[in-house]
Amino acid sequence: DAGVIQSPRHEVTEMGQEVTLRCKPISGHDYLFWYRQTMMRGLELLIYFNNNVPIDDSGMPEDRFSAKMPNASFSTLKIQPSEPRDSAVYFCASSWGPSGNQPQHFGDGTRLSIL
Amino acid sequence: SQQGEEDPQALSIQEGENATMNCSYKTSINNLQWYRQNSGRGLVHLILIRSNEREKHSGRLRVTLDTSKKSSSLLITASRAADTASYFCAPMAAGNKLTFGGGTRVLVKP
Repeated sequence: DAGVIQSPRHEVTEMGQEVTLRCKPISGHDYLFWYRQTMMRGLELLIYFNNNVPIDDSGMPEDRFSAKMPNASFSTLKIQPSEPRDSAVYFCASSWGPSGNQPQHFGDGTRLSIL
Repeated sequence: SQQGEEDPQALSIQEGENATMNCSYKTSINNLQWYRQNSGRGLVHLILIRSNEREKHSGRLRVTLDTSKKSSSLLITASRAADTASYFCAPMAAGNKLTFGGGTRVLVKP
């Protein structure tokens, strides 16, 4: 059983560049979550989707961040333009059913460094 | 959503010993989940305990829940080096947001 797949695993880019992170959830899962983890702020929920529709994006830090889920098997998180303070590990997670009742399955993350 | 607060922040034990960590939260919950994160990896779900349950076991893991005290504990028995990781609790009220605290870093020394 393939888990949640994220790509790339590592990304190093210069300030001002566009960054696109990708996620393939577990087949059959109808919820998808994007998180950011830093030493200072811990693990923060950015946005989540249900059946490909964004439900809550209140955690998205600012307009430079956007997320899409064009179909049930693919989601992207885009940062444009990127800034050094965006450096973090970004995780994607998916679940079958609401998190209130079901566990979330996490990918291994994308470690993003903005120079 | 609400955040769980784990205690202690860090824990160091010898292989074979038990490790206990606690989680406190502030409002009523439907369930509480525990996750583990190994270095450089994503979080892995360990146990989900519902608000009407008091104790749950999974292998060497034992989770308790005391809703009157708004607290939960995770016990790892007979620890192994592979248990070295950070452990997070996530209390769940209504809604779908998991909110994680800073976690407990556990180091199991051989």
